[in-house]
Amino acid sequence: GQQVQQSPASLVLQEGENAELQCNFSTSLNSMQWFYQRPGGSLVSLFYNPSGTKHSGRLTSTTVIKERRSSLHISSSQTTDSGTYLCALEQGTGYQNFYFGKGTSLTVIP
Amino acid sequence: EAAVTQSPRSKVAVTGGKVTLSCHQTNNHDYMYWYRQDTGHGLRLIHYSYVADSTEKGDIPDGYKASRPSQENFSLILELASLSQTAVYFCASSAGQGGDERLFFGHGTKLSVL
Repeated sequence: GQQVQQSPASLVLQEGENAELQCNFSTSLNSMQWFYQRPGGSLVSLFYNPSGTKHSGRLTSTTVIKERRSSLHISSSQTTDSGTYLCALEQGTGYQNFYFGKGTSLTVIP
Repeated sequence: EAAVTQSPRSKVAVTGGKVTLSCHQTNNHDYMYWYRQDTGHGLRLIHYSYVADSTEKGDIPDGYKASRPSQENFSLILELASLSQTAVYFCASSAGQGGDERLFFGHGTKLSVL
C-alpha cells in the first residue's frame, strides 16, 4: 500500500500568502527528505530532516516521528516558488530505500 | 556540489527496440538508483546498486535491466521497449547510511516509445 501520502495534491496561492504542505507516512523511517521540482525539471533537495525542525530562508521543515508526519512551510510565497514539492521517506538497514509521495503541485499567482 | 549526469536528455524509441540510458556521478557515492516518473504515480524505483558489478531490483523492475560497471556509472537497459515505458527517467546517487544521506538527482531523460 501507499507508504507516503502528501496533501494537498494541489494548491493555488496569492503571492505573499503562506503554505503548509503535509507528508504522512505509515511505516517507520530513518529520515525524511523534501524536494522541489520545476515543471520538466530535475529534483532539488530542500531539506534532509530525520526529526525536528530545520529552517532555510522562507522554508521550514518539521518532522515528528511519533506522529508519522513531516511538513514543509513556505512563508511569504513568491511566483518563483511554483512547482511540485515531493517528500521522500528513507527506510532500510544497511542500505537506503526511498519511498516518494506523489507530490503537491503549488501555483503562486501574482 | 554533488553531480549526477544523465544521457541522453531525451530519446524517441520504437516499440521492440533496445534503449540504453546512461548515468554518471562524480560524488564518489556508493549508491545509485534509477527511478521513473509518471503523472499520477510519482517516482518509482526500478533498480538500484550499492557496489560496482552488482545491481538490485527495486519496486518495478519488470522490463528493465541495470548495469553498474564502475562506481561512477550506472545504466538502465530496456531490451524490448514498450509503449508503457514512455516516462521520464531519473538517476540518483547517495552516500548511504552513515554518510551524507541526501539523494542527488540527474536532470532526467524523457523517453517516448512510439
